[in-house]
Amino acid sequence: AQTVTQSQPEMSVQEAETVTLSCTYDTSESDYYLFWYKQPPSRQMILVIRQEAYKQQNATENRFSVNFQKAAKSFSLKISDSQLGDAAMYFCAYRRASYNQGGKLIFGQGTELSVKP
Amino acid sequence: GAVVSQHPSWVICKSGTSVKIECRSLDFQATTMFWYRQFPKQSLMLMATSNEGSKATYEQGVEKDKFLINHASLTLSTLTVTSAHPEDSSFYICSARDRGRRPLHFGNGTRLTVT
Repeated sequence: AQTVTQSQPEMSVQEAETVTLSCTYDTSESDYYLFWYKQPPSRQMILVIRQEAYKQQNATENRFSVNFQKAAKSFSLKISDSQLGDAAMYFCAYRRASYNQGGKLIFGQGTELSVKP
Repeated sequence: GAVVSQHPSWVICKSGTSVKIECRSLDFQATTMFWYRQFPKQSLMLMATSNEGSKATYEQGVEKDKFLINHASLTLSTLTVTSAHPEDSSFYICSARDRGRRPLHFGNGTRLTVT
């Protein structure tokens, strides 16, 4: 069974600084997707960034980038130039590439990020 | 963009009653819908996967007779919490997948409080 682990329950960053959130996963699959979701106090799930396992290039979305290390099964999220609006719970998630199981997401425990002004 | 509407956004019910939560895909056909449960400060735990026109697949430990899921059309799935108890109080979130390989679309969630 696939598992996703986020070992940092809480992180804090100064506004305008950079912070990295860690995520590791375990799978025997070779083709899969990895995601970072943001959940602000409204509890709406917002997709931050997505990485296909077959792509070696790390995904980037504006201030958000990932460090995908497939062999190490590591998928960290870097937030540059942190803003107050980045404060939220961040979830790392895994999904098999095949839809045998419907494409369900498996989430990590979450990391609560606070941004200090 | 794809929109998933979840209703109600919050509900309070008395112990022993049943409550129904709806999840609708507004501008796409949702071949598969997922129901998650989330306790405060915790992760999303998958409860079940529903495919249009077939029985839902429940995760281990989820009582299928208590959490009834119906996916009767390509745009609507419902979760009914039967004979609710205070321990069923939680945040329930649905997500939907269309026929493509795009990421899941999430509803805004339903906060259930059982008194």
